[in-house]
Order: sequence, then structure tokens, then C-alpha cells
Amino acid sequence: DVKVTQSSRYLVKRTGEKVFLECVQDMDHENMFWYRQDPGLGLRLIYFSYDVKMKEKGDIPEGYSVSREKKERFSLILESASTNQTSMYLCASSTGGGAGGEAFFGQGTRLTVV
Amino acid sequence: SQQGEEDPQALSIQEGENATMNCSYKTSINNLQWYRQNSGRGLVHLILIRSNEREKHSGRLRVTLDTSKKSSSLLITASRAADTASYFCATGYNQGGKLIFGQGTELSVKP
Repeated sequence: DVKVTQSSRYLVKRTGEKVFLECVQDMDHENMFWYRQDPGLGLRLIYFSYDVKMKEKGDIPEGYSVSREKKERFSLILESASTNQTSMYLCASSTGGGAGGEAFFGQGTRLTVV
Repeated sequence: SQQGEEDPQALSIQEGENATMNCSYKTSINNLQWYRQNSGRGLVHLILIRSNEREKHSGRLRVTLDTSKKSSSLLITASRAADTASYFCATGYNQGGKLIFGQGTELSVKP
């Protein structure tokens, strides 16, 4: 059974903290993604990666960075957490290489920044 | 932003009726996908249609794609209460598999 695992289901952090969200997939997919989901706004793409050490900005990269040192792991980093980064964060991986294909999602991390 | 729009934002129907959701997007795509999300859960892939296809079926789902109008529709026939969920369209691009989601349609199917 295919699996995308996010390290935490719920997380509470303080303003200004550096926050790491981890995502691991066991499907040998080239592509991995980080989205945030907010009510009424759908899923917005933060960053994606199509290969190890490769990363591309999505629509809302400000305040975030990513790391992909191994194919199976894609980390999202909030350099200095702010209250407007309180959100549900979803990680996904997909088939299809550069052409893209079906994406598989983790269960999400609900991050609250206080 | 490449984010497209979905219409309607919310849809309420009775069991047995058909549900139609529409998606519009802005730039040329490689494929268009539909996903479902039950409350508090992750997204699940439903169907993918490539840019050179016009219609695709999967069980009670029918998807159409009109690249000239940059739009797609998802039809769920003979809906069931268990179809209650949020439905999202996502556009796939030839840029490292980039995948952009719309804002979603909340479907409520009443028994």
C-alpha cells in the first residue's frame, strides 16, 4: 500500500521559532510537493521538487524553504514562524516524472503558531 | 498565480441526483485531475484526464475537458450520502510535474 507520511499530525509553535515539517514517501516518486490549505482558499503550492536537491517555488514560497537530500524525504522549513503561517500543511508525491501524474497525499500537519 | 477557479463553491443535492462541478484554469496544461477530500482527511485521487483527451469515465464519475475554453467538469451520477466531501480540480504542468489546485467545491448529499 502506497504511503506518504508526515511526521506530526498536530504542532504548536511559538512566533519566531524555526519549524521543520518532515515528509517521507515509500513509492520511489520523483516529484514531491508542499501545500498549505486554508478555508476558502483551497490548496496553495508552497514548493515542489522533481529530483533530489532540486526545488522550485510555488505560488506562496515567502517565509518558507525546503530541503530534499534524499529521494524519499522532503522537508518544509519555516525560518521564523509567524501567526499567519497557522494552517494545515499537506505533503504529496506523484508519479510521472516531469509530465506529472496521480498525487498521493499525507494526512496533513495542523500547525498553530502562537 | 496559476490557481484556477471552481464553481460552485458549495452544492447541496438529494441522494440519487446528479452532481456537476466545474473547473476553469488559466494557462496550457499537461493534464487535469480531480481529487476528493473527506472532512479532516487527506486528499484522494479520483481521475486524471490528459490534455489530448476530451472525456473520461470511472464508475459513476464522468470528466470532460475543453482545452479551448480552459475548463473541465466533473459529473457524479446517482449520488449517495457517502459522496459528501470536498472536491478539488488540479492542473498538471510540464514543469517537473507541477500540480496546482483550485479552491474546491463542497458537496453535500442528503439522504
